Amino acid sequence: NLLLTQPRSVSESPGKTVIISCTGSGGDIDTYGVQWYQQRPGSAPTIVIHDDNERGSGVPGRFSGSVDISSNTASLTISGLQTEDEADYYCQSYDRGSVTFGGGTKLTVL
Amino acid sequence: QVTLRESGPALVKPTQTLTLTCTLAGSSLKSNGMSVSWIRQPPGKALEWLARINWEDVKIYNPSLTTRLTISRDTSKNEVALMITDVGPLDTSTYYCARTRPAPRGLGWFDPWGQGTLVTVSS
Repeated sequence: NLLLTQPRSVSESPGKTVIISCTGSGGDIDTYGVQWYQQRPGSAPTIVIHDDNERGSGVPGRFSGSVDISSNTASLTISGLQTEDEADYYCQSYDRGSVTFGGGTKLTVL
Repeated sequence: QVTLRESGPALVKPTQTLTLTCTLAGSSLKSNGMSVSWIRQPPGKALEWLARINWEDVKIYNPSLTTRLTISRDTSKNEVALMITDVGPLDTSTYYCARTRPAPRGLGWFDPWGQGTLVTVSS
């Protein structure tokens, strides 16, 4: 089954750009599309990106998604980092009858 | 605007059956395209999808938990329930319900989510 692997943590300064990766193993990451969720401490997740690169309603244009089929990796890019972007980010896909989430990446905006 | 709210016991004993309820507002469970999933998150850990029910009452389950899960709906109350049998400490989690949006590929995506309800399994 598809396993999604994310770095446990990333950090960057305000105003900079950060890329969070989500690498698939055991299946093709792009077969069923990739979603990204943001979860701030103590809150429920919210959709950031769906269907590889579509922003959720109200999500700023600073957030973008992409998929590299050659490396079986999806990426979430956040440009112009703001302190409010500090959160956990989860990728999600689907494979063989079940939804799969990545292990989550903690983004620290220094 | 669709909103969801989870409810259920905060504490259950090992081996008991846990029943959670998700109340949907702003849309009907019978509306074409409406689906609701349950997702959980152990403290400090990642998200785990559990089950989904759709407007046609079609149900799908996480294969690793399917023998212990039952998802159902009460359209008169606009509620979706999740039952988990034989709970243990590993079932301690925040449980979320979320609308499952249809997608061209795969099961879809989750938006919005309820605020979640924390369930602790302990004797």
